[in-house]
Amino acid sequence: QSALTQPASVSGSPGQSITISCTGTSSDVGGYNYVSWYQQHPGKAPKLMIYDVSNRPSGVSNRFSGSKSGNTASLTISGLQAEDEADYYCSSYTSSSTPYVFGTGTKVTVL
Amino acid sequence: EVQLVESGGGLVQPGGSLRLSCSASGFTFSSYAMHWVRQAPGKGLEYVSAISSNGGSTYYADSVKGRFTISRDNSKNTLYLQMSSLRAEDTAVYYCVRGGTAVAGTGLDYWGQGTLVTVSS
Repeated sequence: QSALTQPASVSGSPGQSITISCTGTSSDVGGYNYVSWYQQHPGKAPKLMIYDVSNRPSGVSNRFSGSKSGNTASLTISGLQAEDEADYYCSSYTSSSTPYVFGTGTKVTVL
Repeated sequence: EVQLVESGGGLVQPGGSLRLSCSASGFTFSSYAMHWVRQAPGKGLEYVSAISSNGGSTYYADSVKGRFTISRDNSKNTLYLQMSSLRAEDTAVYYCVRGGTAVAGTGLDYWGQGTLVTVSS
């Protein structure tokens, strides 16, 4: 199972909006509405930010939003803050032998 | 409060074995699928294995199939990962993760702090 494709890095200034893409295939991202996004700060465990394409768990800021079009999912962070600087990973349910596949990861830098 | 605490990591020689444990609390363990996800030093997340809530169904990444075995003891609220024929490329932090009530779909909502496995001679 190949990893989903994400840009290696994305940057933005405080207050700006940024979007991270996550490209898969019809066997994963495009075939199911089970895309999730995770935030990981250095040395910490990942944290679920978005599930089922566009749903936010309780406690996650509404500055984070998710969407999907075809085989590509997207995470948008609006009103960028210094604390948003972290690595972000997408994940999707997949019809392969394992139920999930992760993206390659994107490092978000707040300028 | 949901808590997942991994243990059992450490240094092991290539070809050796290790068993990871994950003690769960704060939720009805027997109602949730559970997963193992790993992260090699400086690398991204890699999905390793999953087990259904009753233990009846298991899933493995191709990279560990035939070498790793996932299991659970719902009476002890504990998840396990038995690892054998370990290779240098298995070196990683291993996370215990809670899924939904079914193995498939939805997000992985609670993660343990991880346990480091180092495979080296």
